[in-house]
Amino acid sequence: NAGVTQTPKFQVLKTGQSMTLQCAQDMNHEYMSWYRQDPGMGLRLIHYSVGAGITDQGEVPNGYNVSRSTTEDFPLRLLSAAPSQTSVYFCASSRDWTSGQPQHFGDGTRLSIL
Amino acid sequence: ILNVEQSPQSLHVQEGDSTNFTCSFPSSNFYALHWYRWETAKSPEALFVMTLNGDEKKKGRISATLNTKEGYSYLYIKGSQPEDSATYLCASKGVPPQGGSEKLVFGKGTKLTVNP
Repeated sequence: NAGVTQTPKFQVLKTGQSMTLQCAQDMNHEYMSWYRQDPGMGLRLIHYSVGAGITDQGEVPNGYNVSRSTTEDFPLRLLSAAPSQTSVYFCASSRDWTSGQPQHFGDGTRLSIL
Repeated sequence: ILNVEQSPQSLHVQEGDSTNFTCSFPSSNFYALHWYRWETAKSPEALFVMTLNGDEKKKGRISATLNTKEGYSYLYIKGSQPEDSATYLCASKGVPPQGGSEKLVFGKGTKLTVNP
């Protein structure tokens, strides 16, 4: 059981480039989310999805797009990378959005924008 | 935005000491409080999810309590060991003051170092 799989693990981009961070889970979880982790800032919610076809914005959505065409996959797209988007990105999922469900995290993607 | 505060920011204790840290969160429109353990170079792992006022949960030497009326939760570690060294995150699920849908918002964490 792979759990939550994020690819790539590391990426370096130039300012203005676009890319997609992949997240897949094999637990049939309805709820998926993306966070970014910056020094001194903790984990900040970028976007989340409560089920296939449904997405919503978190605390820091600007510069990022998401879609949820399947239950398993929740890709995060950087439209035009900026140095401020240099961060570690974590994808997480839970069985559903009810109160008692913990989040299962992927191993993270370390992204550097030059 | 939901404001989740954790204190202290960091903590150094000796092996065998017992310790505790605090998570405070808005008490209105509260749904759930999560605790996670985050070791360096790994991903966060869930410890507890609590929803009811007065909830107490325990996993080995680690326990947590929840007070939803006053908006705080305590995490306790009894007899700390070096392998307990990690950052402990809490997250509150609720509706932000400005309205909208429920969100899970994390605090900045308490970094615990247990010296042998």
